[in-house]
Amino acid sequence: DAKTTQPNSMESNEEEPVHLPCNHSTISGTDYIHWYRQLPSQGPEYVIHGLTSNVNNRMASLAIAEDRKSSTLILHRATLRDAAVYYCILRGTSYGKLTFGQGTILTVHP
Amino acid sequence: GAGVSQSPRYKVTKRGQDVALRCDPISGHVSLYWYRQALGQGPEFLTYFNYEAQQDKSGLPNDRFSAERPEGSISTLTIQRTEQRDSAMYRCASSLGGVQGGGYTFGSGTRLTVV
Repeated sequence: DAKTTQPNSMESNEEEPVHLPCNHSTISGTDYIHWYRQLPSQGPEYVIHGLTSNVNNRMASLAIAEDRKSSTLILHRATLRDAAVYYCILRGTSYGKLTFGQGTILTVHP
Repeated sequence: GAGVSQSPRYKVTKRGQDVALRCDPISGHVSLYWYRQALGQGPEFLTYFNYEAQQDKSGLPNDRFSAERPEGSISTLTIQRTEQRDSAMYRCASSLGGVQGGGYTFGSGTRLTVV
């Protein structure tokens, strides 16, 4: 599996935007970029995924670099409920597993 | 069902006993995955199924671990002769499958403690 690199931790203030970066310089042309988050004491939760174009949904936006070697998960207005570990994962087009790394611990301050 | 259901939520067992963990995926989900998660770590892949076929078991730590999904729906992860190092949260996830790589839905997990 191609590897992703994320900062260990980030902090934000409530109601401010948050940009969570992810580097994936060895991404292949058929790898999808997935983001999951895990709130304390809960299972991982799907956030968003994309291939080449930027994606938006009710939870977040995903901005993908033109060369696809990096991406950014954008939370437009952080809330206390967004405090979680955020995982950036590459997944190939086969029916394959998701391989979780260490993720980014996001702390949101009131 | 509305979500992925795992049972039991908590399991305490004595070292050397066998345990069976159950996962009931979302109805219609083709793919089912088992993960193990230690405290403070990300989920670690164990195995996965498409329908009833076990596609990848490369993450199973040793031959004491096995999994089945005989009718392509409910799955059971069995750990034989449990050891203290098997203590962890065991998580199941399911997805529609397919090449577009849609999202997984995870269950609440089974907390296994081996004493």
